[in-house]
Formats: sequence, structure tokens, C-alpha cells
Amino acid sequence: GEDVEQSLFLSVREGDSSVINCTYTDSSSTYLYWYKQEPGAGLQLLTYIFSNMDMKQDQRLTVLLNKKDKHLSLRIADTQTGDSAIYFCALGGTGGFKTIFGAGTRLFVKA
Amino acid sequence: DTEVTQTPKHLVMGMTNKKSLKCEQHMGHRAMYWYKQKAKKPPELMFVYSYEKLSINESVPSRFSPECPNSSLLNLHLHALQPEDSALYLCASRSVTTNEKLFFGSGTQLSVL
Repeated sequence: GEDVEQSLFLSVREGDSSVINCTYTDSSSTYLYWYKQEPGAGLQLLTYIFSNMDMKQDQRLTVLLNKKDKHLSLRIADTQTGDSAIYFCALGGTGGFKTIFGAGTRLFVKA
Repeated sequence: DTEVTQTPKHLVMGMTNKKSLKCEQHMGHRAMYWYKQKAKKPPELMFVYSYEKLSINESVPSRFSPECPNSSLLNLHLHALQPEDSALYLCASRSVTTNEKLFFGSGTQLSVL
């Protein structure tokens, strides 16, 4: 089955850029997502990219997709303390109902 | 309205109790989900309803019983749970026909004593 891997922890200083990486094994997914989860809350969709795109920018967020290497990344510019959360990479759009989640990367922003 | 509303937010129950978790959305989504999430882990899929019919059951124990009374509501009935069932239970919904992004509720934090 599909395997989605993420590093578990990232620490950055406030104002720096954060880059969260994700690798996956199955290239049949149509949509690749980034979800954010704050403590005690549900998951919030941050952004997503279609599999036929290489890059998507949305304000402070930049998503890069390297289909050849099966690598997805999320860059957060000017990281703020409010960005501290767990970020999940997820794959969907294979025609079924399942979304495959990575283990999540915990982002810690130091003031 | 782009919200998925879950009640209650917190629930403590004994192993002999019967309780229900509720989820509601008014986005017209015809696919609704239950996920279980343990601390520091990704959500694990439990059930999917599509057009109010159960489409996916990920081999969930029968002490969890889902119900979809109409296109806006989703329930999860709990009976004779075990302490290891303590977790955050998340409801989600999505459109069946368009972009498959999931909209999540804020969850019910369940503790089984």
C-alpha cells in the first residue's frame, strides 16, 4: 500500500523560513495536501496541489512537488509562533474514499 | 457554513457505559468519516459513509457502531469500550464529486476508565 513519510520534528526561530518535507511511494494520487493540527483541535486544510503541478504559492505558504523523486515540501515564510503545530502530509484522489496521512511533523517556533 | 460540528468536546465513560458521539455538517457533503487519533499519531480511518450508506469499515470492533441518519448527521455509538479506546475521535466530511479535501471537526476527546 501507499507509504507516506515525514520527519517527526522541526525547530525554527521566529521570522525564519520553515521547510517540512514528505516522501511517498505511490504516484497515482491526484491531490497532495498539507493539513495543520493545533493541540486539542481537528485537522485544518492548509493548502493542496494537483499532481500535474510543480509549485503552488499561497501567501506565506509555498508547496513544491517533485514527481520524479516523489517528494513534497511545504515552505512557510516568516514563521510565527502561531505556526507551531503538527503538519500532516496527505495523499488522495485515487478514486476511492481514503486519504493517506503521513505521521506528521511537529513544528516548534522559538520566539 | 464550512464547519463540521462535533459534540461533546470531551467525554469520560466507564467500560459498562453506552454513549454516543455526534457530528453535523451543512456543506452538502455526501461523504462523512470517523477517524480515531491517538496522541502524536496521524488519524486512523474507522468508517466512511457515502450517500448515507456505509462504504468502508476498517475492521473496527463492534463496540463502535456508526449511524448516518441523514445527509447532515453522523453518529458513533459506543458500548463496552476498553481503556485503550481512549483517543481523540474526529469526524470529517467531503464532497463526493469534486476536490477530495476533507473538512474536519474539532473532535471529541474520549477517556475510558
